[in-house]
Amino acid sequence: SQKIEQNSEALNIQEGKTATLTCNYTNYSPAYLQWYRQDPGRGPVFLLLIRENEKEKRKERLKVTFDTTLKQSLFHITASQPADSATYLCALALGGNKLTFGGGTRVLVKP
Amino acid sequence: DSGVTQTPKHLITATGQRVTLRCSPRSGDLSVYWYQQSLDQGLQFLIQYYNGEERAKGNILERFSAQQFPDLHSELNLSSLELGDSALYFCASGAVQSAYGANVLTFGAGSRLTVL
Repeated sequence: SQKIEQNSEALNIQEGKTATLTCNYTNYSPAYLQWYRQDPGRGPVFLLLIRENEKEKRKERLKVTFDTTLKQSLFHITASQPADSATYLCALALGGNKLTFGGGTRVLVKP
Repeated sequence: DSGVTQTPKHLITATGQRVTLRCSPRSGDLSVYWYQQSLDQGLQFLIQYYNGEERAKGNILERFSAQQFPDLHSELNLSSLELGDSALYFCASGAVQSAYGANVLTFGAGSRLTVL
């Protein structure tokens, strides 16, 4: 079956360092992959989308890579700040419009 | 404010009861998605509507049903409620963003359902 896996263990990182999150998927070849941020008790917020023919995408301090051979996306937060503390979710459209989310990785940036 | 409105914000009810959750999508968005988020299951896709028609279905229980009305608002009906139905229910509206050429979701604040 199709699976989207993210590291369920929380990532604790010092302010100013780079946080790197992983999203792995199996049994699917998505045309694109999305990343969302979710704060406790709130709805996810869209951050970035990367297409299968794009190796890398950037937005301010965020960078996403997409390796369709490895079936993996990496999400980087550079120069991390305490305000970046949240859960980050990757999502794939598995079969048309069925946008399916990974379990998310919680990031805690310590000052 | 994301532009997606969900009501009620909180709901407490008993097992066996029925509830209705309501969602108004962002102005101009034709798609509505429903997700369930519980602590042990993450964000689970339930169902998607586009301009009043069902477009995609996830692992939605038979006790749950949804519809999208002509004014594009949507309702999720949950019946014969069980303790395990306690969760945050999110609605999202989708639109193809020209910058990406793909559907991106905007989520509402969610409806927290507690079944006692």
